[in-house]
Amino acid sequence: GDSVTQMEGPVTLSEEAFLTINCTYTATGYPSLFWYVQYPGEGLQLLLKATKADDKGSNKGFEATYRKETTSFHLEKGSVQVSDSAVYFCALTINSGGSNYKLTFGKGTLLTVNP
Amino acid sequence: DTGVSQDPRHKITKRGQNVTFRCDPISEHNRLYWYRQTLGQGPEFLTYFQNEAQLEKSRLLSDRFSAERPKGSFSTLEIQRTEQGDSAMYLCASSNDRGLTDTQYFGPGTRLTVL
Repeated sequence: GDSVTQMEGPVTLSEEAFLTINCTYTATGYPSLFWYVQYPGEGLQLLLKATKADDKGSNKGFEATYRKETTSFHLEKGSVQVSDSAVYFCALTINSGGSNYKLTFGKGTLLTVNP
Repeated sequence: DTGVSQDPRHKITKRGQNVTFRCDPISEHNRLYWYRQTLGQGPEFLTYFQNEAQLEKSRLLSDRFSAERPKGSFSTLEIQRTEQGDSAMYLCASSNDRGLTDTQYFGPGTRLTVL
């Protein structure tokens, strides 16, 4: 079946540090890839996405590149801020030609950024 | 867009009681998903609606669970004879079938505690 594996947290960084959260996947079909973020006390928000190999998704200084050869979609940010403290989820959906694009999520990675 | 809304935000119930949750999707979104999230895990797919039709149910959805989406607008998720193992965050997401990618927007969730 389809699955997503994220690096285990928690991850603790100082402000302005470089962030990488690893994500790899296995998929029965051709996936679209997503990063969602969950800030404390809030719902899941889409952070960025990529729909085909070599696409780069980006938003709010975060980037992730869809690497088909390594089945990876690692999240990066060059300089984190305290406000980036949240739980980050990598997810995929399969473009099967049907209509159910259910998301398969990783377990999430808690990021804490200290001033 | 007012976003996806869910009601109630929190529900505490005693084992054996029935509970019902409501989800109002973003207007004009014809796809609606329910997910369940337990502590330390990513959300897991429960069921999917295309308009008013329930097209897929996960094996996680036992016979005690039922979901409806009358008229293709809001949706309800009912759990009968609740068990302590049902304690979780229940998330609703909606999307539409325009474009090539299904981007799901999540509500804030309903946190269920079964005593």
